[in-house]
Amino acid sequence: NAGVTQTPKFQVLKTGQSMTLQCAQDMNHEYMSWYRQDPGMGLRLIHYSVGAGITDQGEVPNGYNVSRSTTEDFPLRLLSAAPSQTSVYFCASSSPTMNTEAFFGQGTRLTVV
Amino acid sequence: GESVGLHLPTLSVQEGDNSIINCAYSNSASDYFIWYKQESGKGPQFIIDIRSNMDKRQGQRVTVLLNKTVKHLSLQIAATQPGDSAVYFCGPLPGGFKTIFGAGTRLFVKA
Repeated sequence: NAGVTQTPKFQVLKTGQSMTLQCAQDMNHEYMSWYRQDPGMGLRLIHYSVGAGITDQGEVPNGYNVSRSTTEDFPLRLLSAAPSQTSVYFCASSSPTMNTEAFFGQGTRLTVV
Repeated sequence: GESVGLHLPTLSVQEGDNSIINCAYSNSASDYFIWYKQESGKGPQFIIDIRSNMDKRQGQRVTVLLNKTVKHLSLQIAATQPGDSAVYFCGPLPGGFKTIFGAGTRLFVKA
């Protein structure tokens, strides 16, 4: 199994540009989440989903949109990139039947200039 | 809201010694508490969890202790190895997948 796959691994954007970070999992997990990680800080929850068609906001949702049209995919969209969104982004998935274990992707390092 | 704190931002131990990483929390409604390990350049990796109705759980070389009276969680790593060098996160699991992580403790293992 590939687990959780994030693309791209690195991205540089100009302020105001938009882009989509991709996340796919092949474990048939219902739960998926997006986090951002900044230096000296823990992971902060951006958006999460408990199943296809269901999404909700996390701790820091402003400036980001998500959708969950399939169980496998959970893309994160940056609407108008700002330097404050420079961060490392992690996608994670888990199963409700064993929901204490989350599987994380390798991360996307995003720089907004 | 809730907060998760860690007592020590960095911890340096000698290879072969035991390591203890501490964590304080403020949300008492959590059903589970979990520990994750994050190696440099990688995503977090699940280590061990403990239910809120337990006070101790053992895994392979790791033990998690939960003291709900003082809202304190600890991760003990036996015979620490160089491969254990990483950042460790703890956090509550408030009845679902919305886990809130603290800043993490960086563990350095000296050979």
